[in-house]
Amino acid sequence: DVKVTQSSRYLVKRTGEKVFLECVQDMDHENMFWYRQDPGLGLRLIYFSYDVKMKEKGDIPEGYSVSREKKERFSLILESASTNQTSMYLCASTPRENYNEQFFGPGTRLTVL
Amino acid sequence: GQSLEQPSEVTAVEGAIVQINCTYQTSGFYGLSWYQQHDGGAPTFLSYNALDGLEETGRFSSFLSRSDSYGYLLLQELQMKDSASYFCAVGNSGYSTLTFGKGTMLLVSP
Repeated sequence: DVKVTQSSRYLVKRTGEKVFLECVQDMDHENMFWYRQDPGLGLRLIYFSYDVKMKEKGDIPEGYSVSREKKERFSLILESASTNQTSMYLCASTPRENYNEQFFGPGTRLTVL
Repeated sequence: GQSLEQPSEVTAVEGAIVQINCTYQTSGFYGLSWYQQHDGGAPTFLSYNALDGLEETGRFSSFLSRSDSYGYLLLQELQMKDSASYFCAVGNSGYSTLTFGKGTMLLVSP
């Protein structure tokens, strides 16, 4: 059974803290994605990676960075968390040849106080 | 850029049929996908249309008309467990990414 896991289901951080969100997939997928989901706004792409050590900006990359040192792991970093980054963060992965069927992790609900 | 429009909410009763529409504007078309997300859960893939016509998967069907930049998801024999949000998404040219619509919340009542 394919699986995408995320390091935390719920996370509470303070303004200014550095925050790491981890995502691991066990499907040997080349492509990995980070989205944030806010009510009424749908899923918005923050960053994606199509290979190890490769990264591309999505639609809303400001305030975020990413790291992909290993194929199975894709990390999202909030360098200095702010209250407007309170959101649900979703990780997804796909094989290189079929990016339409994305496999999502359970999500991390981040609250920044 | 890409943009998608879908209704914010649809209501229906158990056993009924419901259609969720999606219109899109894209610089290049690379297929229309549908995802389901239950409250508190992760989105899960339902269907993908690259060509015009109807694709059927059990109680769910998805339709695409590229000339009209339009598609829909059809849910038949509605069950309470179908209450969820449904997202349409289009592929982006040159990248292995999707742009998602804002989602349609489907409420199924007894």
